[in-house]
Amino acid sequence: DAGVIQSPRHEVTEMGQEVTLRCKPISGHNSLFWYRQTMMRGLELLIYFNNNVPIDDSGMPEDRFSAKMPNASFSTLKIQPSEPRDSAVYFCATSQGGELFFGEGSRLTVL
Amino acid sequence: LAKTTQPISMDSYEGQEVNITCSHNNIATNDYITWYQQFPSQGPRFIIQGYKTKVTNEVASLFIPADRKSSTLSLPRVSLSDTAVYYCLVDLNTGGFKTIFGAGTRLFVKA
Repeated sequence: DAGVIQSPRHEVTEMGQEVTLRCKPISGHNSLFWYRQTMMRGLELLIYFNNNVPIDDSGMPEDRFSAKMPNASFSTLKIQPSEPRDSAVYFCATSQGGELFFGEGSRLTVL
Repeated sequence: LAKTTQPISMDSYEGQEVNITCSHNNIATNDYITWYQQFPSQGPRFIIQGYKTKVTNEVASLFIPADRKSSTLSLPRVSLSDTAVYYCLVDLNTGGFKTIFGAGTRLFVKA
């Protein structure tokens, strides 16, 4: 298996633009997590899904952030409109029980 | 969720054994203790997990006393490539439950 696949790896955009980050989980994993990592705040859990259903989105910073998981093979994290303070590395992780497997992350820079 | 406390940083030299201790005083009966490792520009990677006593794998050992209020990750004979951030987590081993990362311990291995 290729592991958790995230795209894009890097994105630079301007304030106000829409950003969509994508994640393809490991086949068979029924839990999917979106994390955000910054130097100041560390690794923050934004939202997690179980069997494609959002279970807890209390970590989503505000309404500008939304996440979907339309099927077991794909998830998106969208920021609209983006702001400079959203600059961070966004990680997707999946699990089938216990151990989390992380993708390589999407580094977002909002100018 | 049980809160964890671990040192912010540690220094070591190549070839030494490194022990990182994590405190989790309010660990619940069903909680497992899991350690992750994160290299720069990568997502965290699972190292080891345990419930009680001692667990050993090819990478590390995990020591858990009877009261389970703390745990110690032991890295034998570290090398420069072990320089990373090490996270201690305590949560239900269900995979569908949210996993919260603390600040971690930044380990520097010197030549």
